[in-house]
Amino acid sequence: AQSVAQPEDQVNVAEGNPLTVKCTYSVSGNPYLFWYVQYPNRGLQFLLKYITGDNLVKGSYGFEAEFNKSQTSFHLKKPSALVSDSALYFCAVSPRYNTDKLIFGTGTRLQVFP
Amino acid sequence: DTEVTQTPKHLVMGMTNKKSLKCEQHMGHRAMYWYKQKAKKPPELMFVYSYEKLSINESVPSRFSPECPNSSLLNLHLHALQPEDSALYLCASSQPKDQETQYFGPGTRLLVL
Repeated sequence: AQSVAQPEDQVNVAEGNPLTVKCTYSVSGNPYLFWYVQYPNRGLQFLLKYITGDNLVKGSYGFEAEFNKSQTSFHLKKPSALVSDSALYFCAVSPRYNTDKLIFGTGTRLQVFP
Repeated sequence: DTEVTQTPKHLVMGMTNKKSLKCEQHMGHRAMYWYKQKAKKPPELMFVYSYEKLSINESVPSRFSPECPNSSLLNLHLHALQPEDSALYLCASSQPKDQETQYFGPGTRLLVL
């Protein structure tokens, strides 16, 4: 079965420190990989995606993600966290043969403390 | 412009009511989606329209009826809903091609009494 795992329900980090939100996937082939962020009572905002090429993808608001094919991971990172980054983060995967479907992880709540 | 708009923002309805949710995008996207999201859970795909034709129905109960009148507009008609249908309903759009990003609207928060 195809799945996306976000092993941490919550990640806590102090403002100014680097942050990592983890994502691993189990999808056959070479899927497309996405990160979305959701602020309270809002829809999902697209952050970045990996299609092919360089394993380090840069996205919105200073976020980046590192694709590791051997570990089937796509971890979200930011060098210096802001309090305003506090939100719910979803990793999502789109199989290449069925790109209408986004398979979402369960989400990770990021809390950045001042 | 990557904006998807949804109306209304909030909706309260009784189990015998009929209501509709509306979604609009002007990005020229030809694929549109309805998702249902319960609190602290990921979105669940309900329907996909591609070139104004229903391409995916994820076994959604018939009390939810989607409609795509044109390439910019997507409706979700609601009738005889149950309290467990209370959720955030999200619309998204994209180009119906490989590797395209889905862009989401802000959602309609629905409460069924």
